[in-house]
Amino acid sequence: QKEVEQNSGPLSVPEGAIASLNCTYSDRGSQSFFWYRQYSGKSPELIMSIYSNGDKEDGRFTAQLNKASQYVSLLIRDSQPSDSATYLCAVKFNAGGTSYGKLTFGQGTILTVHP
Amino acid sequence: SAVISQKPSRDICQRGTSLTIQCQVDSQVTMMFWYRQQPGQSLTLIATANQGSEATYESGFVIDKFPISRPNLTFSTLTVSNMSPEDSSIYLCSVQVRDTQYFGPGTRLTVL
Repeated sequence: QKEVEQNSGPLSVPEGAIASLNCTYSDRGSQSFFWYRQYSGKSPELIMSIYSNGDKEDGRFTAQLNKASQYVSLLIRDSQPSDSATYLCAVKFNAGGTSYGKLTFGQGTILTVHP
Repeated sequence: SAVISQKPSRDICQRGTSLTIQCQVDSQVTMMFWYRQQPGQSLTLIATANQGSEATYESGFVIDKFPISRPNLTFSTLTVSNMSPEDSSIYLCSVQVRDTQYFGPGTRLTVL
C-alpha cells in the first residue's frame, strides 16, 4: 500500500513569513512528485513538480526532494494572504519505466496566511 | 497543460437515481482519470479511463456503481448509479499531459 503523509495542520503563518509544508512517502520506487494548491470550492491546480534530489525554485515557491529520506517539501517565501489554501502533496510511482503511474495524494495541509 | 470542462458543475439528486458527469478536454489525451473528493477529505482515485479499453477501477469502486465511457481521446463520462447520500461528493476529471495530471473544475453532487 503506497502512502503519502503530510504534516498535520492547519498551519498558520503571518504575512511575509516562510511557510513550510512537508510530505513523506512510503514507496521507494516513487519517481515523480507534485504539489497542488486547492482553494476552497475549487479544483486542485499544479504548483510545482520535482523529479530529482535537491531544490527546485519557481518564484516564491521552492520544492525540495530527498529520496533517501523519502520526503518532499514545499517552501513558500514572503507568504501572502492569497496563499491561504489547502496544499496537496502527490506522489507517482512510474511502473515499468513508462510515464504512467497512479497518483497518490496526501491528506492535504490547510495553510492560513494572516495579515 | 490542458483545458478541461465538466458538466454539470453541480446537481442535487434523489436517492436511487443516477447521474452522468461529462468531461471534455481541449486536446487529445491518452489517459483520463476520475477522482472523488468527499467533504474535508483529499482526492481518491475512482478509475483510470483509456480510450479503446475498459476502465481500470481502484479497490472499493466497481463498474456497476460507477460505469465509465471513453468514446474518444477528448471525452469521457462517469455515471454514479443508484445514488445514496454517501455518494455526496465532488467528482473530478483529470487528464495526464506528459507526466503531469491536470484537473477539471469538478462536479459537486448532493444526494438527498
